[in-house]
Amino acid sequence: EAQVTQNPRYLITVTGKKLTVTCSQNMNHEYMSWYRQDPGLGLRQIYYSMNVEVTDKGDVPEGYKVSRKEKRNFPLILESPSPNQTSLYFCASSFLERGGEKQFFGPGTRLTVL
Amino acid sequence: GESVGLHLPTLSVQEGDNSIINCAYSNSASDYFIWYKQESGKGPQFIIDIRSNMDKRQGQRVTVLLNKTVKHLSLQIAATQPGDSAVYFCAEGANTGGFKTIFGAGTRLFVKA
Repeated sequence: EAQVTQNPRYLITVTGKKLTVTCSQNMNHEYMSWYRQDPGLGLRQIYYSMNVEVTDKGDVPEGYKVSRKEKRNFPLILESPSPNQTSLYFCASSFLERGGEKQFFGPGTRLTVL
Repeated sequence: GESVGLHLPTLSVQEGDNSIINCAYSNSASDYFIWYKQESGKGPQFIIDIRSNMDKRQGQRVTVLLNKTVKHLSLQIAATQPGDSAVYFCAEGANTGGFKTIFGAGTRLFVKA
């Protein structure tokens, strides 16, 4: 089954404790992205990657890191989490079709930073 | 600046009626528009898309209309069903040397039985 998986689905942590949220896709897509979703703000892009070893900042990259060592994986790293990073996070993989980007989203990771 | 917005944050319709969800965009360089559906506890799911060289596209029970003159996008759902209850996002995209997609804040659709 074609899918994007994220782990963990839920995480409660404390300020300053480094964490990684994993993302994996089995569709051989070149493009992958991380978004955070906050009430009333919709989805905001954190980082995206157009291919292996190619990453770039999205709209809200501060406090986050990513890596793309393999095509299928795109982990999100919070080196020193803070309470304002409490949010719902989505990973997406995508391909371009008919001149546009069709994205497939993972199930989400709900992160709480105390 | 660039923005994607929605006219109504919530919409309540009777089962069987048609639903219309509206969206305004401001980036005239956007050439691709998408509607996503997000059910509770899940990630957004692609519904339908439309290129800027079109003004209408139909799918199964859904139609997207694009009015470039007033920068307006709408999603019409025919014969709305309880399973259509969700948050709907419009998104606009443009190829800026890498593809950039901007999402709106979302509209919650309630379907009354």
